[in-house]
Amino acid sequence: LAKTTQPISMDSYEGQEVNITCSHNNIATNDYITWYQQFPSQGPRFIIQGYKTKVTNEVASLFIPADRKSSTLSLPRVSLSDTAVYYCLVGDPTGGGNKLTFGTGTQLKVEL
Amino acid sequence: DSGVTQTPKHLITATGQRVTLRCSPRSGDLSVYWYQQSLDQGLQFLIQYYNGEERAKGNILERFSAQQFPDLHSELNLSSLELGDSALYFCASSDRGDSTYEQYFGPGTRLTVT
Repeated sequence: LAKTTQPISMDSYEGQEVNITCSHNNIATNDYITWYQQFPSQGPRFIIQGYKTKVTNEVASLFIPADRKSSTLSLPRVSLSDTAVYYCLVGDPTGGGNKLTFGTGTQLKVEL
Repeated sequence: DSGVTQTPKHLITATGQRVTLRCSPRSGDLSVYWYQQSLDQGLQFLIQYYNGEERAKGNILERFSAQQFPDLHSELNLSSLELGDSALYFCASSDRGDSTYEQYFGPGTRLTVT
């Protein structure tokens, strides 16, 4: 899997939009970008996955520029319950192995 | 609720002992993955099974073994336990074999070795 770099921590207030950027300079042609969320003592939860441009679902948006060397997870109008660790993963799930390799993630703290 | 169940929720045992962790994947999911999360190593992939067969192996110790049964549930066996094996063990499942990173994680089993 491509090496990823993301902020160690971020703080935000309720109601704000939060953008977490992940750098992956060595992303390969067949690699996808995937984000997971993890609350303390719970299993990670899949948020979103994309290959290029923009992907949106009911909880988040994923922005991927044309060079794909970075990506941004956007959480609209966060609430206290969005306080969690967010992991960015990059790799080719069709390349013979789709095990997840987690980095240290970004600890997001949302306050009132 | 992801639909993945794990038992037991907590397990406290002594060094040198052997334990078995159980996982039931979501209905219809053929792939089962095991992960270990400890404070110093973070979340690490251990092993994957697909429809009863081992598909991928990660940083799994020789003292650990796993299997997936015909009904698709899986068990992770940990033997000769050491203090450093204390961790959260997660099971995950997916319905598309090797073609996705969208995995559904269970609530985990917290293992404490004393």
